[in-house]
Amino acid sequence: AQSVTQLDSQVPVFEEAPVELRCNYSSSVSVYLFWYVQYPNQGLQLLLKYLSGSTLVKGINGFEAEFNKSQTSFHLRKPSVHISDTAEYFCAVSDRTSGTYKYIFGTGTRLKVLA
Amino acid sequence: GAGVSQTPSNKVTEKGKYVELRCDPISGHTALYWYRQSLGQGPEFLIYFQGTGAADDSGLPNDRFFAVRPEGSVSTLKIQRTERGDSAVYLCASSVRGTSESNEQFFGPGTRLTVL
Repeated sequence: AQSVTQLDSQVPVFEEAPVELRCNYSSSVSVYLFWYVQYPNQGLQLLLKYLSGSTLVKGINGFEAEFNKSQTSFHLRKPSVHISDTAEYFCAVSDRTSGTYKYIFGTGTRLKVLA
Repeated sequence: GAGVSQTPSNKVTEKGKYVELRCDPISGHTALYWYRQSLGQGPEFLIYFQGTGAADDSGLPNDRFFAVRPEGSVSTLKIQRTERGDSAVYLCASSVRGTSESNEQFFGPGTRLTVL
């Protein structure tokens, strides 16, 4: 069964510094990949998605992610973070062959941007 | 346009009681998903509807959980004989079906269920 690993439960980083949030998934079958952000007491908001094509995906708020099939990874990056980026970030995988397109989520990474 | 809405936003109930959680998806979205997010965890899949039928209910934890979508739009998640372990945020999502570009799921704000 598909699984998603977000090794870092918390990532503290200073404002204007770069950040990378790691995501690895278990299966090499064809997948769709997503990153969602969840601000305190709010719902999930899509940051970016990989469906096909270019492996470098650009999303909202200056975030980007790179799909690496050989390493089954989809790490999220931002070159310069802001205080407002403080939130929980979830990586999700959807199996293209499942027929249901349900998401398997990681446990999340809490990004804390320090002044 | 309107996004996915869920009611109530908060529900507090006592152990053993029955609860219903409602999801109103984006108009025209034929696919509807329920997820459960426990404290400190990522959302976990519960059930998927394509139209009126439950196409995949493999994530429902036990037979106390049931969901319906009688007219292919609004869905209700029903939990019987609630237990304290059912406390979580219940998320609903909808998506358009048919092409790979339509796979994106749009999430509602969730219903926070607390079982005392």
